[in-house]
Formats: sequence, C-alpha cells, structure tokens
Amino acid sequence: AQSVTQPDIHITVSEGASLELRCNYSYGATPYLFWYVQSPGQGLQLLLKYFSGDTLVQGIKGFEAEFKRSQSSFNLRKPSVHWSDAAEYFCAVGTLYGGATNKLIFGTGTLLAVQP
Amino acid sequence: GAVVSQHPSWVICKSGTSVKIECRSLDFQATTMFWYRQFPKQSLMLMATSNEGSKATYEQGVEKDKFLINHASLTLSTLTVTSAHPEDSSFYICSALTMTETQYFGPGTRLLVL
Repeated sequence: AQSVTQPDIHITVSEGASLELRCNYSYGATPYLFWYVQSPGQGLQLLLKYFSGDTLVQGIKGFEAEFKRSQSSFNLRKPSVHWSDAAEYFCAVGTLYGGATNKLIFGTGTLLAVQP
Repeated sequence: GAVVSQHPSWVICKSGTSVKIECRSLDFQATTMFWYRQFPKQSLMLMATSNEGSKATYEQGVEKDKFLINHASLTLSTLTVTSAHPEDSSFYICSALTMTETQYFGPGTRLLVL
C-alpha cells in the first residue's frame, strides 16, 4: 500500500539557519511527489512538485527538494530560513486513480518553529 | 493562477441543521475536486472525490448520505453536511485538480456545530 512518512513531527531552527525536512514514501511505481505548506487556520499552498526529469526541483519561497529513488525519499530543503517560514509542512504522493495520478496520500506533517 | 476559494470561511450552526460549503476554482476549470477533513494537529483525511457531471466517490467510512457532494459545473463543487452534530465539527478543505495533475487547495472552512 502507498504511504508517506515524515519522521519529524516538530522541528525548531534558528532564523538564518538551513533547513531539511524529511519525507519517505512507499509506492510501487514512479511517484508524483509534492510538498505543501499550511499556515495556522489556512489551506495548503503548493511549494513544489516532482513528476519526472531533473531530480532536484525548485519551488517557491526559496525551497527545493531532491528526489532520491534509491532511498525512496523526497526531502525538502532551504538554505536560510526566515521567521515567516514557520508553518506545518506536508509531503504527499500522488497515486493512480481512474487512470490519472491525482489522488494524494499525505504524510502526517512536520511543524516548523523558527527561533529569532 | 490556480486559485481555489471556499465559502464560507467559518460557520457555526445548531445541531440538526444542514450546512453547505462551496468550493470554486477561480481561474481554471476542474473536472475533479476533492474534499478533505482535518482534525486539530492532524493531517488531511480525504473524504470524497467530486467529479463534474457524475456521482462523487466516497472514501471508506465516509457516509455519503451525511456528506452530500454536488459538482454541478467545471468550477464549483459543494459539500453539504446534513443534520450536523457536534462530532462533525472540523476543518473542511477542498482542492481542485488542474490539467497538470496538481491539486490546488482552498483556504478551508471551519465548522462548529453546537
């Protein structure tokens, strides 16, 4: 069965420090992978996605993620964190549904706190 | 581009009443929309898939007579919580699927049933 694991429930980093959020997936075929961010009381905003091609993908707000098939991972990174990055981050894998890859399975999320 | 709106953003209702939540794709057409439910400090739980012009597909354990979904146009899907009870209080989020197989999410609707 398809699944997504985000091992870190909560992470705290200092402003200006680098960030890496981990995501591991279990999926039988080539996955479609996504990272979303959710601010408190808000919907989800797409940060970036991987469908195929270059395994290092760039997203909005200075985020990037690298797809590593051998490790079944899609970790999210940012070289320098800003206080406004404090939010909850969800990794998701797109699954086959009705012939198209459009049903998402979400990880449990990682809550990011940023210290001044 | 790819903006999704929800209305209302929050609603308080009495137990036993019905509540309708609208999800609109503002700048694109979406043949498929999704409805999720999110409990505090938890991830999103897919409730159902809404397909324009056909019946919605519900996830296991979700009561289709309780959560009525109508996808009457390519830009609008509605979720009606019928005979709402306090246990239905939650944060409901919709998403719309673009032609590039990417889901864009609405801002969510917080429902409180008294």
